[in-house]
Amino acid sequence: EAGVVQSPRYKIIEKKQPVAFWCNPISGHNTLYWYLQNLGQGPELLIRYENEEAVDDSQLPKDRFSAERLKGVDSTLKIQPAELGDSAVYLCASSRTSGGLQYFGPGTRLTVT
Amino acid sequence: DQQVKQNSPSLSVQEGRISILNCDYTNSMFDYFLWYKKYPAEGPTFLISISSIKDKNEDGRFTVFLNKSAKHLSLHIVPSQPGDSAVYFCAASADNNDMRFGAGTRLTVKP
Repeated sequence: EAGVVQSPRYKIIEKKQPVAFWCNPISGHNTLYWYLQNLGQGPELLIRYENEEAVDDSQLPKDRFSAERLKGVDSTLKIQPAELGDSAVYLCASSRTSGGLQYFGPGTRLTVT
Repeated sequence: DQQVKQNSPSLSVQEGRISILNCDYTNSMFDYFLWYKKYPAEGPTFLISISSIKDKNEDGRFTVFLNKSAKHLSLHIVPSQPGDSAVYFCAASADNNDMRFGAGTRLTVKP
């Protein structure tokens, strides 16, 4: 069974530029999560999807962050414009159902200069 | 608010000895606890979990202990192996809701 796929693995951009991350969850997993992991910290939830519906986006900074999960499979997370403080690892995870065991992708390491 | 705390950023242990990683939590509503292991440049992978109705769960060399009255759990690895060197995250959830993670403990097992 293929795991959670994320791309790109690494991204370096200048501040004020836009950036997008892509996630393909494990096949058959209805729930998808985006996490932010700052250096030396644990993952923090940004948004959770049940199929194509965002059911928990309370931690997503909506002034610059957006996400979508069209057709309830792949998902993209976008930042526009990026700020220096956005430098972090962005992790995607999926689970078969809400509350189920979460499987993580390798993450995208973003560096904003 | 830091609801899950791992107060030891790092731990170094000799191969063959026991590794004990600790985790404290503040939310008494948490009813499910997990440990994830993370190697560099990889995502966290599930290691072991425990429900709040138990106080111990064992899987091979890994055992998790839960002390609800103290709001404390620990992960024991025995015997420790060099391949166990990684960052270990404690996580907790309440009623199947979103997980809260600790900051992680970097374990180094020396040959």
